[in-house]
Amino acid sequence: DGGITQSPKYLFRKEGQNVTLSCEQNLNHDAMYWYRQDPGQGLRLIYYSQIVNDFQKGDIAEGYSVSREKKESFPLTVTSAQKNPTAFYLCASTHKTVNTEAFFGQGTRLTVV
Amino acid sequence: AQSVTQPDIHITVSEGASLELRCNYSYGATPYLFWYVQSPGQGLQLLLKYFSGDTLVQGIKGFEAEFKRSQSSFNLRKPSVHWSDAAEYFCAVVGNTGTASKLTFGTGTRLQVTL
Repeated sequence: DGGITQSPKYLFRKEGQNVTLSCEQNLNHDAMYWYRQDPGQGLRLIYYSQIVNDFQKGDIAEGYSVSREKKESFPLTVTSAQKNPTAFYLCASTHKTVNTEAFFGQGTRLTVV
Repeated sequence: AQSVTQPDIHITVSEGASLELRCNYSYGATPYLFWYVQSPGQGLQLLLKYFSGDTLVQGIKGFEAEFKRSQSSFNLRKPSVHWSDAAEYFCAVVGNTGTASKLTFGTGTRLQVTL
């Protein structure tokens, strides 16, 4: 079945460490997105990518980095510069760049210990 | 900039009762509107979407929503709620700007269903 796979489901990180969240899709979608979800704040866009080797900052990109070396993959690195990284992270993709619904992965819960 | 307001943080309804979740958007042109549902610890599932045409749209699980341009609203409704509908519901808008589908989400409404 086609879909978006995020791994791991749960991730624990020590303060000061970088950590990378995986997102893979086999839907042949062009665009991919990373959202952060905190209680009571909805989903906020971190980064998005419309094509391979290109990506743009979203609303809360500070402390995060991404790459898009393959159409299927859009990993997110949470760096030590991110002041409050504990959150639920959601990856999404869309087929075209405009006017289509987003398909979401099951999310990764990151906890800083 | 586009924005979405969901004024109700938490709603409780009895099983079998009707439901209406409110959503107001702000966008200069014709918006593309969505309702998503999220179970705890899970991703988001699309319930329905409005792009153009008939302003009353039908979705999955018996949900419907009505686009009212004059009120900048896109409220979600269900005639009879089931206990399995308990979840968090998000309204979202994407602007027709020719760029990537950057969804802007509301803060969500958590639905509790009492038996």
